[in-house]
Amino acid sequence: GAGVSQSPSNKVTEKGKDVELRCDPISGHTALYWYRQSLGQGLEFLIYFQGNSAPDKSGLPSDRFSAERTGGSVSTLTIQRTQQEDSAVYLCASSPGLVRSYEQYFGPGTRLTVT
Amino acid sequence: LAKTTQPISMDSYEGQEVNITCSHNNIATNDYITWYQQFPSQGPRFIIQGYKTKVTNEVASLFIPADRKSSTLSLPRVSLSDTAVYYCLVGPVDSSYKLIFGSGTRLLVRP
Repeated sequence: GAGVSQSPSNKVTEKGKDVELRCDPISGHTALYWYRQSLGQGLEFLIYFQGNSAPDKSGLPSDRFSAERTGGSVSTLTIQRTQQEDSAVYLCASSPGLVRSYEQYFGPGTRLTVT
Repeated sequence: LAKTTQPISMDSYEGQEVNITCSHNNIATNDYITWYQQFPSQGPRFIIQGYKTKVTNEVASLFIPADRKSSTLSLPRVSLSDTAVYYCLVGPVDSSYKLIFGSGTRLLVRP
């Protein structure tokens, strides 16, 4: 079946520009997560959506970062006024819900480069 | 998440069985053990999850002794395509969801 998809796969942007990253989770998965991973580093949790509950935004590094999930499916991560330290691979994952929450299915990621 | 310790790297040859052990001395009663695989330039891939004894799926087996202070991921007959970083995570799967990867084990499969 279809897995998690993300677009674009690569994004190069100039410092100060805004970017939008998109995630399509696996159909039927109620939980959606955003992480980022810098070169050679571990995962950094950004935000978590579960159904209609208020998202857990505790991992967003600054107020330049925001995310929304429309209709309980597609999610968009927006980074305003990008900075060079925002360069990383942004990963989206989905899972069936809080039960088995560590069984997350990741997309291929969006590689963001801020020049 | 409980602290985990894994070997930094392992080498193997095609066709061999590879066993990667993860130590988690402070595992809690409601913690599960989960393994992920990550190839370069790709997102992590869920491999297997277990609570006790043995779990097997089409990809791997997970062996967990009675005291649950360690676990072993077993990859049967590895191929070159199994070269990746393998991460062990320990935590409650019904109340937590932030995956935190340690340094993982970098497995290199040689011809």
